[in-house]
Amino acid sequence: EIVLTQSPGTLSLSPGERATLSCRASQSVSSSYLAWYQQKPGQAPRLLIYGASSRATGIPDRFSGSGSGTDFTLTISRLEPEDFAVYYCQQYGSSLMYTFGQGTKLEIK
Amino acid sequence: EVQLVQSGAEVKKPGESLKISCKGSGYSFTSYWIGWVRQMPGKGLEWMGIIYPGDSDTRYSPSFQGQVTISADKSISTAYLQWSSLKASDTAMYYCVRRGSGYYLSAAFDIWGQGTMVTVSS
Repeated sequence: EIVLTQSPGTLSLSPGERATLSCRASQSVSSSYLAWYQQKPGQAPRLLIYGASSRATGIPDRFSGSGSGTDFTLTISRLEPEDFAVYYCQQYGSSLMYTFGQGTKLEIK
Repeated sequence: EVQLVQSGAEVKKPGESLKISCKGSGYSFTSYWIGWVRQMPGKGLEWMGIIYPGDSDTRYSPSFQGQVTISADKSISTAYLQWSSLKASDTAMYYCVRRGSGYYLSAAFDIWGQGTMVTVSS
């Protein structure tokens, strides 16, 4: 089973700053099969990025994803107040098996 | 509008059984896999399993195999998550999710239900 480790656990930044969130896999993941989600308090998660770098419908272009192999990154170019939330990476393996990372909390500094 | 609407919050006692539901609308329910994701209080997301309503093909995470049952009734566009004997440790928010279509999007969950909170307490 592939384990996804996200870092940092908590990231404290100010609006307008750039955020860089990391997701590292215990073994190589096809970049086609790496996704990112955002979860705000009291809400269901929503899909941000799929295929490592494709934005989901309605996602602003300040969100971008990159990476390959075992190292993936979610970047938010200029933080808006509504971007402070918890972010999860997720990978898809064979036989319809999925794994989530433990999450990164992005908080206002 | 494409959406998944889940049944309401439940409060149960240990040992009781429970079945929660997830109704899909706005798309062809039988053409997309539906999964379930657990989120324990203050914790992260855990994938539990997935079902294809078209033929009821079902897969489970090894962590949840034998602990829950996933089913679907395509005639009413509804998927279910079921427990035969609840434990306090089953207390969590449960989300149903739609697996996307297409080569890349099929590896992600593009639609999420609003969640069903299950509380198990004596």
